Amino acid sequence: DVVVTQSPLSLPVSLGQPASISCGSSQSLVHSDGNTYLSWFQQRPGQSPRRLMYKVSNRDSGVPDRFSGSGSGTDFTLKISTVEAEDVGVYYCMQGTHWPRTFGQGTKVEIK
Amino acid sequence: EVQLLESGGDLVQPGGSLRLSCAASGFPFNNYYMSWVRQAPGKGLEWVSSINPSGGVTYYPGSVKGRFTISRDNSMNTLYLQTNSLGVEDTAVYYCATGYKNMGGYWGQGTLVTVSS
Repeated sequence: DVVVTQSPLSLPVSLGQPASISCGSSQSLVHSDGNTYLSWFQQRPGQSPRRLMYKVSNRDSGVPDRFSGSGSGTDFTLKISTVEAEDVGVYYCMQGTHWPRTFGQGTKVEIK
Repeated sequence: EVQLLESGGDLVQPGGSLRLSCAASGFPFNNYYMSWVRQAPGKGLEWVSSINPSGGVTYYPGSVKGRFTISRDNSMNTLYLQTNSLGVEDTAVYYCATGYKNMGGYWGQGTLVTVSS
């Protein structure tokens, strides 16, 4: 199975400051169709997950543009340009290239 | 508006079975791959199963293969997950979600399965 590893697992951030989460995979996530299926999800306390990004850097509808995704191959990053109070929660990356689909462990973002 | 509404979660004894349902609306259900994802209490997300639009192709991880069966009724816009031989490690909130490569464009609110004696 492809192992997906996130860091850090805990990220205290001050309001208005930037934040960055890394996601690494044990195998390249480039699919035979040429796409890279790496998604990012946000899970606020008590809520279902919500997808923020798909195919590395495509922002979902309604996602603020302070969120951005980048990376290629086995190394990916989610960045929040300026953290707001509503960004508190756990963030997961997930690879959709290989079976079985696998998620990272999650990164808990909290306000310092 | 897209809606996914799971049901069927319950308290069940080890070795028992449950059938979970996910009623979909607001999008062309019969054109979409669908998936189940679970989350044990206080833990992360785990993919459980996916199915193609016609229902003819299914996918499972090793942890549930042979015990869980995903299916769908496109005439009823409903996704199912039959869970058998349940163990305490299957205790989780089970979510249905759209997609299978770009999984999770839409999620339901989840249904809780508790396996305990």
